[in-house]
Amino acid sequence: SDELTQPPSVSVYPGQTASITCSGDKLGNKYACWYHQKPGQSPVLVIYQDGKRPSGIPERFSGSYSGNTATLTISGTQAMDEADYYCQAWDSSTAVFGGGTKLTVL
Amino acid sequence: QVQLQESGPGLVTSSETLSLTCTVSGYFITSGYYWGWIRQPPGKGLEWIGSIYHTASTYYNPSLKSRVTISVDTSKNQFSLKLIYVTAADTAVYYCARVPFGRGQHWFDPWGQGTLVTVSS
Repeated sequence: SDELTQPPSVSVYPGQTASITCSGDKLGNKYACWYHQKPGQSPVLVIYQDGKRPSGIPERFSGSYSGNTATLTISGTQAMDEADYYCQAWDSSTAVFGGGTKLTVL
Repeated sequence: QVQLQESGPGLVTSSETLSLTCTVSGYFITSGYYWGWIRQPPGKGLEWIGSIYHTASTYYNPSLKSRVTISVDTSKNQFSLKLIYVTAADTAVYYCARVPFGRGQHWFDPWGQGTLVTVSS
């Protein structure tokens, strides 16, 4: 299967660490990247390749891998981080997105 | 700073053709990178449609490949999307994006603001 599976929702208190997972059969040898999307806005890349952050993305965003699962970690989560998060991978000349995770900052 | 802007009709009749153009500013489309289209039905997740290089090399989503054509016009610094035989399921916000690539990965950065296309019967 080339699907990427994310939890529909994750909740976190301000200042705590949020972890969002992305699982897929073909993810083990592939990098995943991550986007966040706030209501009414376009997606924004936050992590790409082996955990790199684009210019302007805060250091509290990090990416990691273990087996067939990629994880986006937000350390010291802030209210402004509340958004939908999508993982994405490239495999067999095809881009695949995860179903998205709604991050709620309580 | 690269910017992308989608343009095209916001309403398309069922069974007809959806046509959109993405105009790139602040970067020459021939300078590298792939350029891609992604869509998002209202309230739903993201779906990649396809990507093109300035040499016209393309990748398409297998689920849409039979209905999609992506082309590039380097003289206008634009690339375009055509989707034939549309149905209500094609109603979505359509985004264009630059597609950096490397080490076996393609990703999308930055994205245009998106344009809503509604398919009506």
